[in-house]
Amino acid sequence: DADVTQTPRNRITKTGKRIMLECSQTKGHDRMYWYRQDPGLGLQLIYYSFDVKDINKGEISDGYSVSRQAQAKFSLSLESAIPNQTALYFCATSDPGQGSTDTQYFGPGTRLTVL
Amino acid sequence: AQSVAQPEDQVNVAEGNPLTVKCTYSVSGNPYLFWYVQYPNRGLQFLLKYITGDNLVKGSYGFEAEFNKSQTSFHLKKPSALVSDSALYFCAVRDTGSGYSTLTFGKGTMLLVSP
Repeated sequence: DADVTQTPRNRITKTGKRIMLECSQTKGHDRMYWYRQDPGLGLQLIYYSFDVKDINKGEISDGYSVSRQAQAKFSLSLESAIPNQTALYFCATSDPGQGSTDTQYFGPGTRLTVL
Repeated sequence: AQSVAQPEDQVNVAEGNPLTVKCTYSVSGNPYLFWYVQYPNRGLQFLLKYITGDNLVKGSYGFEAEFNKSQTSFHLKKPSALVSDSALYFCAVRDTGSGYSTLTFGKGTMLLVSP
């Protein structure tokens, strides 16, 4: 969905490096999410933010941190990357407004490889 | 706690035949249920959702899903499969009765449609 963009789309890095993945959206949604996808494990929630001042840990937040710079921007950082963080990372947004069912809309993903 | 299960890792069907991708869920209150599709090297795309009302929900690309409360299921169906339907399908649930405000995804089912 072009309304949700992620940069970079692909990244190869080395163990111990700090990495930042960025997500931007033009949908005007308050809620944003970061997921990782591993083969056979589906999507696991890393962090989520319901507005700029509200950030919450998901199922697998260890080793990750986030920053919500504005309503439209939500960044995910790996402070010291390790090989088992090699995965496909997705950002998503949703609108909790009245009448909305909070359907999530996803970005194209970032493929991260940690050597 | 909310959970969702997709019992089949892979479903194989011949083009033109009907297809079913299974999903069962567990919630304490009423569920919001979603199906997403992921094509190779793409993000997840929203297909359809069940919130309330008619148990048969129609979505994008000719897909539909049937909500069955007694069997706690939300199976995805299509009357006539296309080769282009080959993709990874995810079921997701949100429990409206427990304060959960995020989605829980299944592990995904790979649908392969042969010519």
